[in-house]
Amino acid sequence: DAGVIQSPRHEVTEMGQEVTLRCKPISGHDYLFWYRQTMMRGLELLIYFNNNVPIDDSGMPEDRFSAKMPNASFSTLKIQPSEPRDSAVYFCASSRGTGWGYGYTFGSGTRLTVV
Amino acid sequence: QKEVEQNSGPLSVPEGAIASLNCTYSDRGSQSFFWYRQYSGKSPELIMFIYSNGDKEDGRFTAQLNKASQYVSLLIRDSQPSDSATYLCAVNIAEYGNKLVFGAGTILRVKS
Repeated sequence: DAGVIQSPRHEVTEMGQEVTLRCKPISGHDYLFWYRQTMMRGLELLIYFNNNVPIDDSGMPEDRFSAKMPNASFSTLKIQPSEPRDSAVYFCASSRGTGWGYGYTFGSGTRLTVV
Repeated sequence: QKEVEQNSGPLSVPEGAIASLNCTYSDRGSQSFFWYRQYSGKSPELIMFIYSNGDKEDGRFTAQLNKASQYVSLLIRDSQPSDSATYLCAVNIAEYGNKLVFGAGTILRVKS
């Protein structure tokens, strides 16, 4: 199993530009999660999907952030326009379920720097 | 009160000692508890899962759960420099749809 695959690994962009992060979950995992990690705030859940449907986007910081999951094997997180405070490591994770016994498997993350 | 609380550390232990990492949680309905390890610059990696009161051992790692006290811990025996990492506690929180809620993590440093 290839695990959760994220791209790109690193992204440096200028303020105001659009940024798109990509994720391929583990096959058979029905849940996909987008997290953001910073030193100040730790690991924050932004949004999660179940069977390609967004279930909870209460963690999305503002309208500049959007996420889609067009099929079971692909999801994107888009930031437009990007701002320096968006600089963080963005992780995608997937799981067979939520609740008892279901841990999440994380991708390698995308380190985003907005200058 | 935060849902999942951990001491941020750093916790420093000498090589070969037992490292004890602690976590408390607020939701009495929580049923399963996870420990993740995160090396600097890497992603969180699941190392232990526990759901019953008591101890669960896996190699040098022991997870301990006390639901009455809402407390879960991770013991690392014979600590090695390679154990130096941030350890994240995660708990299924029923009121959040049983999503995993992560603590802020404890930095562990094992000195050789």
